[in-house]
Amino acid sequence: EMQLVESGGGLVKSGGSLRLSCAASGFTFTISNMNWVRQAPGKGLEWVSSISSSSTFIYYADSVKGRFTISRDNAKNLLHLQMNTLRAEDTALYFCARSYCTSGNCYFDDWGQGTLVTVSS
Amino acid sequence: DIQMTQSPSLSASVGDRVNITCRASQSISTSLNWYQQIPGRAPKLLIYSASTLQSGVPSRFSGTGSGTDFTLTISSLQPEDFATYYCQQSYTTLGYTFGQGTKLDIK
Repeated sequence: EMQLVESGGGLVKSGGSLRLSCAASGFTFTISNMNWVRQAPGKGLEWVSSISSSSTFIYYADSVKGRFTISRDNAKNLLHLQMNTLRAEDTALYFCARSYCTSGNCYFDDWGQGTLVTVSS
Repeated sequence: DIQMTQSPSLSASVGDRVNITCRASQSISTSLNWYQQIPGRAPKLLIYSASTLQSGVPSRFSGTGSGTDFTLTISSLQPEDFATYYCQQSYTTLGYTFGQGTKLDIK
């Protein structure tokens, strides 16, 4: 069974750092594009970052560019998100999601349950 | 950036036929996906490429549209369908964008 399990969330002060991880199992991680999507409390979904299967292509939302770094360890089936210079507006539930692309369209076909990041000011 | 616009909420009854709409700020062909989110749960993919039903999703869900205007239709609402629905565009890989979500609640 395909599974994505996030960890690393917690309470951090504004300006601080946090590293999220996502452990993947039940599918071939090494050929999968992976993503982070977040959801602020009571708000909608916001795409944060994407990384291709071999880390060749990496993209960030403007709201996190220069502060967050996505990476992956294909030997350990792990996805990471290093978050620096955190702000109150980064407070959210962070989901790890696998994406699949076909005919010019990419969609998030499997999701973890999320890890909560709270940034206190 | 491509903006996606959805109506914030919709009220309906069990058995109703419901249309949830999503509009893109520019043409995105059929690079449009729909997700369902039940409170406290992760989003679930329903429809991809505007009209293709994801495996395992009930056939009462369907999607139409291309260009800028898209519709998710639930043919006969079931109690478990009351949730928030999001559209998402992937026309540009430089920034996937979600709509703000449409909360479907019981009339």
